[in-house]
Formats: sequence, C-alpha cells, structure tokens
Amino acid sequence: NAGVTQTPKFQVLKTGQSMTLQCAQDMNHNSMYWYRQDPGMGLRLIYYSASEGTTDKGEVPNGYNVSRLNKREFSLRLESAAPSQTSVYFCASSSSLGAWTDTQYFGPGTRLTVL
Amino acid sequence: AQSVTQLGSHVSVSEGALVLLRCNYSSSVPPYLFWYVQYPNQGLQLLLKYTSAATLVKGINGFEAEFKKSETSFHLTKPSAHMSDAAEYFCAAGVGSGSARQLTFGSGTQLTVLP
Repeated sequence: NAGVTQTPKFQVLKTGQSMTLQCAQDMNHNSMYWYRQDPGMGLRLIYYSASEGTTDKGEVPNGYNVSRLNKREFSLRLESAAPSQTSVYFCASSSSLGAWTDTQYFGPGTRLTVL
Repeated sequence: AQSVTQLGSHVSVSEGALVLLRCNYSSSVPPYLFWYVQYPNQGLQLLLKYTSAATLVKGINGFEAEFKKSETSFHLTKPSAHMSDAAEYFCAAGVGSGSARQLTFGSGTQLTVLP
C-alpha cells in the first residue's frame, strides 16, 4: 500500500515547455487534489476532482489543466510553463469531498523549476 | 473568504520545553480545523483535526490543540519538545459544502528544536 505517489520528483523546464505531473493513489479514494506550495504562502489549491469524471477549479487554476484519468489517477498539465510556476506541487486524496472528517493524504511532492 | 493566520514563521524551542504554535482563523462560521506537519522533502501528514466534537483535540506524537471560538484560535501545543519534532507545521481551515468545499492553509511555521 503505497498511498499517494507522484512522478517525477524533480523537473526543470524552460519557459514555454509543457509537461504533465502524474499522481496515483491506491486507497480507493473518491476525491483527489492538486496543490502548489510556495515559500511563505502555505499550500494553495489548483484543481480538485470530487469523483471520477469530475474536475473543478481551486484557488489558482490559471495556467494549468487536469485530467481525472480513472479513480486512481489525477494528472496536472502545464501547457506552456512560466517562471511563476516554479513551485513544489503536491497531490492529495481523500475518501470523499463530502465530509470534512475525511483526512486528506498527501504525496511526497514534485519540485518544479521553470527557467 | 476564509483565511488562516499563523503567527511566527519560525519558532525555536529547547528540547524538553513547551511547544506552542499559534493559529487564528477568520470566519463567522466555525470551520473545520486541521494541523498538518511536513518533514523535510516529504508531503504533509495530518497531526490532528477539529470537527466540532470536543474542543480539545489530541493528535499524534503527543500534540494537541484547543479550539477557542471566542478567540477564533486553534493553537497547537506539546508539553515537551523532542528533536524529532523539528519540521514545518501548517494550520488549515475547511469551510463550505459540496463542490464549494476547500481547505485554506496558513503560511506555515518552521519549528526548530535546540539541543
């Protein structure tokens, strides 16, 4: 039982390049989330997926797209990377979006640098 | 909109001393409240959560937090710090229902434990 896994762990991009961050969970959770973490700003929600087949914008969605490929996988795509997207990206999952009593479990993160 | 304020971006304590990390939230409606811990190069791990049951919440690793509605606070404490407690701590608040449900994180407090 690996929990939430993310690939890659590190990535360096040039401005304008595209890439997809992968996330998978093996806990049979319904809801999945993508956050970015910037120094002094805590975590901010980019997109989330309440259940398979649905996605919704979070606080900072501009410049990103997501795909809920199936119940296990939730990917985050940067179509044209910008230096402002240099950050640490975390994927998380929870049993359900419907109850705050459900804990969100986080992956180890992807450190992305955009030059 | 919900906001979470963590007073003190860096806190240092001696091993064996009391740990007090401060968190205040802004909301007319008591939110659900969480404390997460992040060890270096790892994802976030839930320490404890308040979901309107008991106002004093006990978590893992000897941490606890008390919800005080009159002060809109949810401070994290531990009676005796251990070297292994050195990490970054995030307070988070959850408000809303259904698709509008989101977690808002504070900016984090880095805890250093001195020998």
